[in-house]
Amino acid sequence: QSVLTQPPSVSGAPGQTVTISCTGGYSYVGTYRVHWYHQVPGKPPKLLIYDNTNRPSGVPDRISGSMSGTSASLAITGLQAEDEGDYYCHSYDEDARRWLFGGGTKLTV
Amino acid sequence: QITLKESGPTLVKPTQTLTLTCTLSGFSLRTSEDSVGWIRQPPGKALEWLALIYGDDDKRYSPSLMSRVTITKDTSKNEVVLTVGNMDPLDTATYFCARGRYTSGYNQIFFDFWGQGTLVSVSS
Repeated sequence: QSVLTQPPSVSGAPGQTVTISCTGGYSYVGTYRVHWYHQVPGKPPKLLIYDNTNRPSGVPDRISGSMSGTSASLAITGLQAEDEGDYYCHSYDEDARRWLFGGGTKLTV
Repeated sequence: QITLKESGPTLVKPTQTLTLTCTLSGFSLRTSEDSVGWIRQPPGKALEWLALIYGDDDKRYSPSLMSRVTITKDTSKNEVVLTVGNMDPLDTATYFCARGRYTSGYNQIFFDFWGQGTLVSVSS
């Protein structure tokens, strides 16, 4: 059972905005940076956001990350069919000295 | 162009040891700023981090698997090897290797390039 908690699923119509949350304890989300990945079936995860808010080159600016306290969020505006898939947050757990992933959120457009 | 490619058996028997190789291209593990991690994903389930090795040979393991997992690197071959002992059907998963980077602290690792993954089934 993951200690990074994400909603199991979210949905939105094309063009709308969705937000995915990632909540954890202070020893990780509150202290360490959160990163986000997108995965479509049969493919490896793709890095979307690193260090809470930064986008790698090639990731559109309609995708953004934010942090507040011990909760991180990923927002996707102008939803497109290609946004469908699973989204995972990722951070470091200082107490257990491990990296961990959230349980994943399935986005349906 | 940075790529990673996993290789190894697709089927192992219970109690056997699994050995997977990650072949790196376009980068090498030479400094503490470089790292490679192994992550697995059981069918239909979430990602699980297993192990990570830095270029300075610092190694980290998931506490839940530490007694069964070993990670090593061969810089001359540009390879990272993961072994998992005493395999069980619950270890059936797609195993990914990925390049780790950080910009704001040694443990602030994120994975920016991933291999395609290799599905390993555990069955007698």
